[in-house]
Amino acid sequence: AQSVTQLGSHVSVSEGALVLLRCNYSSSVPPYLFWYVQYPNQGLQLLLKYTSAATLVKGINGFEAEFKKSETSFHLTKPSAHMSDAAEYFCAVSDPNFNKFYFGSGTKLNVKP
Amino acid sequence: DAGVIQSPRHEVTEMGQEVTLRCKPISGHNSLFWYRQTMMRGLELLIYFNNNVPIDDSGMPEDRFSAKMPNASFSTLKIQPSEPRDSAVYFCASSLTGTSNSPLHFGNGTRLTVT
Repeated sequence: AQSVTQLGSHVSVSEGALVLLRCNYSSSVPPYLFWYVQYPNQGLQLLLKYTSAATLVKGINGFEAEFKKSETSFHLTKPSAHMSDAAEYFCAVSDPNFNKFYFGSGTKLNVKP
Repeated sequence: DAGVIQSPRHEVTEMGQEVTLRCKPISGHNSLFWYRQTMMRGLELLIYFNNNVPIDDSGMPEDRFSAKMPNASFSTLKIQPSEPRDSAVYFCASSLTGTSNSPLHFGNGTRLTVT
């Protein structure tokens, strides 16, 4: 069975600081991994995805994530936070054998001026 | 690309009433998913369809919930009778191929309040 753990339900950074949002997964097979962002009163939007190609994945809005099999992690980073990055971020894993997506509980990112 | 379209955006109803949520997936996508989001449980998959056929409805909470997809461009999620614990944001999502490496595209959701 697949599962996702996001460490830290709330993360606060200053504008211009590094953003690091943590995601660890559990999977019995090599997974596909995704990061989504949710702004208030909106649906989830895809930031980036890992589907067994390059382990460092670049996404939209300057975000990137690195797949580390040995650590079963897929942390999301951005070198310099903008005020517009304030939102909730969800990590998701899907099982290549089944068409199911498992979402983490989300991390709310607050960006301070 | 108009994206996934859900209606209504907000629904307020009284306990016992029937509620119907609607979804139009992205044209050409052959899989459709219904999710429910609450503070307590996060995002829960209720049901998903592939080529208009329900594949997995194990997440549907109980018989009060039903979903249909009569054609490739329309789906409904119905709750009858509704209860206060059904209050949540309901999302519809579609994906191009329905395979596990095909990302989900979400609508903006329907916020349901049952009083």
